[in-house]
Amino acid sequence: AQTVTQSQPEMSVQEAETVTLSCTYDTSESDYYLFWYKQPPSRQMILVIRQEAYKQQNATENRFSVNFQKAAKSFSLKISDSQLGDAAMYFCAYWYTGTASKLTFGTGTRLQVTL
Amino acid sequence: DTEVTQTPKHLVMGMTNKKSLKCEQHMGHRAMYWYKQKAKKPPELMFVYSYEKLSINESVPSRFSPECPNSSLLNLHLHALQPEDSALYLCASSQGSTGGQETQYFGPGTRLLVL
Repeated sequence: AQTVTQSQPEMSVQEAETVTLSCTYDTSESDYYLFWYKQPPSRQMILVIRQEAYKQQNATENRFSVNFQKAAKSFSLKISDSQLGDAAMYFCAYWYTGTASKLTFGTGTRLQVTL
Repeated sequence: DTEVTQTPKHLVMGMTNKKSLKCEQHMGHRAMYWYKQKAKKPPELMFVYSYEKLSINESVPSRFSPECPNSSLLNLHLHALQPEDSALYLCASSQGSTGGQETQYFGPGTRLLVL
């Protein structure tokens, strides 16, 4: 069974600084996708970034980038120039390209952004 | 446009009531999902509809009854709920294409309180 682990329940970063959220996963599949979702207090789950496992290049979306280490099964999220609006719960998630596949979430990391 | 809408935003119901949650998307997605989320926890999958047919039921109690009237709409009918069913109910959709990327886009959720 696939599992996703986020070992940091809470993180804090100062505004304009950089923070990295960790995620590791366990799978025997070779074709899969990894996601970071953000859930602010307003509660809507917002897709932050997506990584296809077959792509070696790390995905980037503006201030958000990932460090995807396939052999180590690691998928960390780096937020640069942190803003107050980045404060949220961040979930790492995994999905593999198979029938009846389900999105598997980690337990989440709550990010606080301070002035 | 990656919008999934859900109504109502909030719902309070007694244990003998019957109510329905509604989800709508106009992205042409053919897979739709219901999740239940407790506070500070990741979403838990309840049901998956693929091409308007129920494809996954995660052993959800029969007091929750999903319905997919067409490819754009997903309902969740509630009857005789228990206080422990109080949670945020999230709807999501994805393209549904076999073997394709399955990025799920989430709605804002319905906050349900069962008294």
